[in-house]
Amino acid sequence: DIQMTQSPSSLSASVGDRVTITCRASQSISNYLNWYQQKPGKAPKLVIYAASSLQSGVPSRFSGSGSATDFTLTISSLQPEDFATYYCQQSYSPPPTFGGGTKVEIK
Amino acid sequence: QVQLQESGPGLVKPSESLSLTCTVSGASISSYYWSWIRQPPGKGLEWIGYIYYSGTTNYNPSLKSRVTISVDTSKNQFSLKLSSVTAADTAVYYCARGAPIDVEKYFFDYWGQGTLVTVSS
Repeated sequence: DIQMTQSPSSLSASVGDRVTITCRASQSISNYLNWYQQKPGKAPKLVIYAASSLQSGVPSRFSGSGSATDFTLTISSLQPEDFATYYCQQSYSPPPTFGGGTKVEIK
Repeated sequence: QVQLQESGPGLVKPSESLSLTCTVSGASISSYYWSWIRQPPGKGLEWIGYIYYSGTTNYNPSLKSRVTISVDTSKNQFSLKLSSVTAADTAVYYCARGAPIDVEKYFFDYWGQGTLVTVSS
């Protein structure tokens, strides 16, 4: 299985901050990398697919980049509703696997 | 609007089978990878498997010997059966739609709300 490693595992930030989360794959996955946002007690929500495509309805302050093994999710100006846990997921090779998550907390 | 809803028992005894159904509304079960994903309390996400509308299935090797996913297109439902459960199978179980980018490559664009299944005697 392809291992997905996220860093950091948690971070504290203030409203308005620029936040970057990193995801690294154990082998090249081209651009088959997706990002999800999960709030407590809720199902994950798709934010970015195919490394850099913004899911419909997701604010433009979210962006994704990267290819092969290294990817980033950036929130350009953190808003109160963005405090959540974010997961990356590869779909290059079955089984699809998720990173361990990055919890974005209020500073 | 596409909606998915899980249903099934919230408590299962060790060694028995867990059975859940996902009802899809607002979309037809076609051309998508209909998946089950689980999340143990306080932990990360684990893909269990999918069924394609044609009936083709693919399971996580870690669970393959115990998992069966089936589809009922007439009811727009798909189901999960996990046999010989233990406490380690206690988790929130989600059904999700896998939207294809390429063959066997997809992202999960719609999710059910999730249902907690506890394995305990």
